[in-house]
Amino acid sequence: NAGVTQTPKFQVLKTGQSMTLQCAQDMNHEYMSWYRQDPGMGLRLIHYSVGAGITDQGEVPNGYNVSRSTTEDFPLRLLSAAPSQTSVYFCASSSDRDTLYEQYFGPGTRLTVT
Amino acid sequence: DAKTTQPNSMESNEEEPVHLPCNHSTISGTDYIHWYRQLPSQGPEYVIHGLTSNVNNRMASLAIAEDRKSSTLILHRATLRDAAVYYCILRNTGGFKTIFGAGTRLFVKA
Repeated sequence: NAGVTQTPKFQVLKTGQSMTLQCAQDMNHEYMSWYRQDPGMGLRLIHYSVGAGITDQGEVPNGYNVSRSTTEDFPLRLLSAAPSQTSVYFCASSSDRDTLYEQYFGPGTRLTVT
Repeated sequence: DAKTTQPNSMESNEEEPVHLPCNHSTISGTDYIHWYRQLPSQGPEYVIHGLTSNVNNRMASLAIAEDRKSSTLILHRATLRDAAVYYCILRNTGGFKTIFGAGTRLFVKA
């Protein structure tokens, strides 16, 4: 298993540009989520999904959209990038078949908005 | 959501045990206590979790207070590779949201 993969690893955007961060998992996990981590801070939940076709907002959803058309993929869209969205973004997945929702994290995408 | 409180940082010597504390005084009866750690430039990784009883696995031990208002992650012999940020998190079996605090940064000296 590749686990949770994220692309790209690094990205630089100009203010106002849009882009999609990709996340995929090959463990057939129902639950997927997106977090952002600002320098020296813990992770904050952006959006999450409990299955294909079902998404919900986390702590900091503004400026981001998600969709879940398949079990494997959970892309995060930045609609109009702002410098405040400069951060490292982590995708995670988990399954209720495993030990009480243990989450597996991807390697992260480092995004800089200028 | 119930919150956790951890010290900002701790220091340990290599090959000595490390006890990382976590307070969660507003924990509910159905909240599980999870620990994750984040090595430099990596995503968090699961360490251990428990409900009421102490737990052991190959990575660490988790000691949970009888009133469940606090817990301690125990690394039996710290190595330089254990230098990381350790997060104590509460997760409810009926819910999905996971709230991460700032965690404890563990420094390990050779």
